[in-house]
Amino acid sequence: AQSVTQLDSHVSVSEGTPVLLRCNYSSSYSPSLFWYVQHPNKGLQLLLKYTSAATLVKGINGFEAEFKKSETSFHLTKPSAHMSDAAEYFCVVSGPDDYKLSFGAGTTVTVRA
Amino acid sequence: ETGVTQTPRHLVMGMTNKKSLKCEQHLGHNAMYWYKQSAKKPLELMFVYSLEERVENNSVPSRFSPECPNSSHLFLHLHTLQPEDSALYLCASSQVGVSYNEQFFGPGTRLTVL
Repeated sequence: AQSVTQLDSHVSVSEGTPVLLRCNYSSSYSPSLFWYVQHPNKGLQLLLKYTSAATLVKGINGFEAEFKKSETSFHLTKPSAHMSDAAEYFCVVSGPDDYKLSFGAGTTVTVRA
Repeated sequence: ETGVTQTPRHLVMGMTNKKSLKCEQHLGHNAMYWYKQSAKKPLELMFVYSLEERVENNSVPSRFSPECPNSSHLFLHLHTLQPEDSALYLCASSQVGVSYNEQFFGPGTRLTVL
């Protein structure tokens, strides 16, 4: 069975400083991995996805994530946080069925001015 | 309209009411999903329809009844709900059969059961 663990339930950063959100996954096959963001009272928006091509994946709004098979990790980073990055972030693994996604518990990001 | 839309955005209902949530996708996808998002809990997959057939029912109580009349529309019929059913209900769609499963989400319906 596949699963994801988001290692931090809450991350607080100052505006303009780097953001790191940690995610470890467990999967018995080559997974597809995603990061989604959810702003307050909104649905989930896809930030980026890994689908067995390049291990460094670039997404929207300056975010990127690196797939590390040896560490079973898929951490999300951004070099410089913006106030608009305050939201909840979900790490997600796909499979084994075509339609099934397994979500992490989420990391809440707050950005201090 | 683009993407995935959901109506209503907010719903307050009593335990004896009957109501329905509606979802529509404008992406040409062949699969649609209902999720429940409760505070401090991971997203819970409730139902999956692929090619208009239900392929997943994750032990959801019968007071929730899904309906998928075509590949673009998905409903969730609600009756005799409990206060613990209060949550954000999210609809999503995807194209099953590609090598990965990128799902596109609607904005959700915030449901409050009194």
